[in-house]
Amino acid sequence: AQSVSQHNHHVILSEAASLELGCNYSYGGTVNLFWYVQYPGQHLQLLLKYFSGDPLVKGIKGFEAEFIKSKFSFNLRKPSVQWSDTAEYFCAAGDPYSGAGSYQLTFGKGTKLSVIP
Amino acid sequence: NAGVTQTPKFQVLKTGQSMTLQCAQDMNHEYMSWYRQDPGMGLRLIHYSVGAGITDQGEVPNGYNVSRSTTEDFPLRLLSAAPSQTSVYFCASSYSKFPGELFFGEGSRLTVL
Repeated sequence: AQSVSQHNHHVILSEAASLELGCNYSYGGTVNLFWYVQYPGQHLQLLLKYFSGDPLVKGIKGFEAEFIKSKFSFNLRKPSVQWSDTAEYFCAAGDPYSGAGSYQLTFGKGTKLSVIP
Repeated sequence: NAGVTQTPKFQVLKTGQSMTLQCAQDMNHEYMSWYRQDPGMGLRLIHYSVGAGITDQGEVPNGYNVSRSTTEDFPLRLLSAAPSQTSVYFCASSYSKFPGELFFGEGSRLTVL
């Protein structure tokens, strides 16, 4: 079974600081990777996704993530965070060859980001 | 656009009571799923469905039942609530072509006393 690990439980940054949140997955084959964000009191929404191709993917609100196959990693980055980025961030992985009848997305435990003005 | 609608948003139950969490989507998505979110545990898949009449178990299915009689609706039933089922429940849907691109509902916070 797949597993997804997020190394940081809670990250606290000042505005304008750079952000990198770690994500590692355990699956040897082809994998779909996602980052979801949950703003306080809101539902989860998709931030960015990687299916194939360019390993550097760009998402909404200036976020990007890099897929490094050799490290089984998909770290989320943002050059300069804002107070409005305060949220919980979830990494997720899915097997594209599991078939639509059995596709399951495995989530990491999440990383809370607090941005101090 | 309504998207994914969950009801109720809050519910308090006593141990042993039953209830149904409702989920409806208006995007004609084939794939629907239920997750529970617990502090420090992330999201865990309870049940999912790839179309009307088809359901399957996820990671933590015990104590929950689902059915999918229409494309739009995917209710989650707690047959005999237990305190361990205190959680926030999210319904999510997606196109079967892009099953990982989930659209989430706003969540239902359930407390079992």
